[in-house]
Amino acid sequence: DGGITQSPKYLFRKEGQNVTLSCEQNLNHDAMYWYRQDPGQGLRLIYYSQIVNDFQKGDIAEGYSVSREKKESFPLTVTSAQKNPTAFYLCASSSPGQGEKLFFGSGTQLSVL
Amino acid sequence: QQQVKQSPQSLIVQKGGIPIINCAYENTAFDYFPWYQQFPGKGPALLIAIRPDVSEKKEGRFTISFNKSAKQFSLHIMDSQPGDSATYFCAASPGSEKLVFGKGTKLTVNP
Repeated sequence: DGGITQSPKYLFRKEGQNVTLSCEQNLNHDAMYWYRQDPGQGLRLIYYSQIVNDFQKGDIAEGYSVSREKKESFPLTVTSAQKNPTAFYLCASSSPGQGEKLFFGSGTQLSVL
Repeated sequence: QQQVKQSPQSLIVQKGGIPIINCAYENTAFDYFPWYQQFPGKGPALLIAIRPDVSEKKEGRFTISFNKSAKQFSLHIMDSQPGDSATYFCAASPGSEKLVFGKGTKLTVNP
């Protein structure tokens, strides 16, 4: 089955800790995205990457970092600098010519211990 | 200018009713307007989308109405069912650039 796999489903972060959320896709899509979802706030773009080894900041990149070493993988690190990390994190991808049509993973719920 | 304003925040209808969710935008460069449906604990999925060259698009029980002069678009769900209970997001994008999402509407369809 083609799709986007996010792991883990649930993640807990301790104070001062960095945590990494995994996102893997087998859709052969060039572009990948990370969104943060808070209740009543919609989807806010954290980072996006349109090609391997290149990525751009979205609207709320502070306290986050990403890498894009492989086409199919786009991990997100929530650093200790992100003071309010509790949220539902969504990874998405899209293909050239259909850049607007996003395919989403099932998300990771991050909570602070 | 990059915002998409969505209303209402929540909506409750009876089975068979026609819920309507509205979105408004300011950026006239937006030329693609999708709606995404999200069930609890899942990622959003594309439901239906429209471009400004048409005023209405229908797919099954879902219809988008688009008013270019008013810079508004809306989602109508005909003969709504309890299985339609979900959060709906409108979005917009200029060309092939990244989508801007509304804040979402939580729809509950009672049996």
